[in-house]
Amino acid sequence: EAQVTQNPRYLITVTGKKLTVTCSQNMNHEYMSWYRQDPGLGLRQIYYSMNVEVTDKGDVPEGYKVSRKEKRNFPLILESPSPNQTSLYFCASSSAWAYEQFFGPGTRLTVL
Amino acid sequence: GQQVMQIPQYQHVQEGEDFTTYCNSSTTLSNIQWYKQRPGGHPVFLIQLVKSGEVKKQKRLTFQFGEAKKNSSLHITATQTTDVGTYFCAEAGGRFGAGTRLTVKP
Repeated sequence: EAQVTQNPRYLITVTGKKLTVTCSQNMNHEYMSWYRQDPGLGLRQIYYSMNVEVTDKGDVPEGYKVSRKEKRNFPLILESPSPNQTSLYFCASSSAWAYEQFFGPGTRLTVL
Repeated sequence: GQQVMQIPQYQHVQEGEDFTTYCNSSTTLSNIQWYKQRPGGHPVFLIQLVKSGEVKKQKRLTFQFGEAKKNSSLHITATQTTDVGTYFCAEAGGRFGAGTRLTVKP
């Protein structure tokens, strides 16, 4: 089944404790991206990747890191999480930039 | 900030009424995509519009792309409870509107 998977689905952590949210897709997609969703703000892009080893900042990259060492994986790293990063995070992939995006199920992160 | 403005933020309708959400951009868009997110779910792609003035239909849903490619709309005819959710427009590259949350009263 073609899909985008994210782990964990739920995470409660404390300020400053490094964490990684994994994202994997099995559709051989070149383009992958991360979004955060907050009430009233819709989906805001954090980082995106056009292909392996190519990553770029989206609209809200501060406090986040990503890597794209393999085509299928695009982990989101929070080196020192803060409470304002409490949010719902979605990973997405598409065959190329500007094509239909397939979203993962989401990761609900709470930073205390 | 977001360059794709979407209105209204919320819309509550009686089942059977029509619903429309609008997206506007200050710049010309190469394309516009529409997504639906059910409560508790993830966004799901509905359609993509590319051409100036394009109109596409999916059953009770009608999507339009403006002549100047700066605005778009999604119209639902005779809403049903299954239409409940948040509808997002998005421009190429992943900049999304804030979404319109639709609730339908049976």
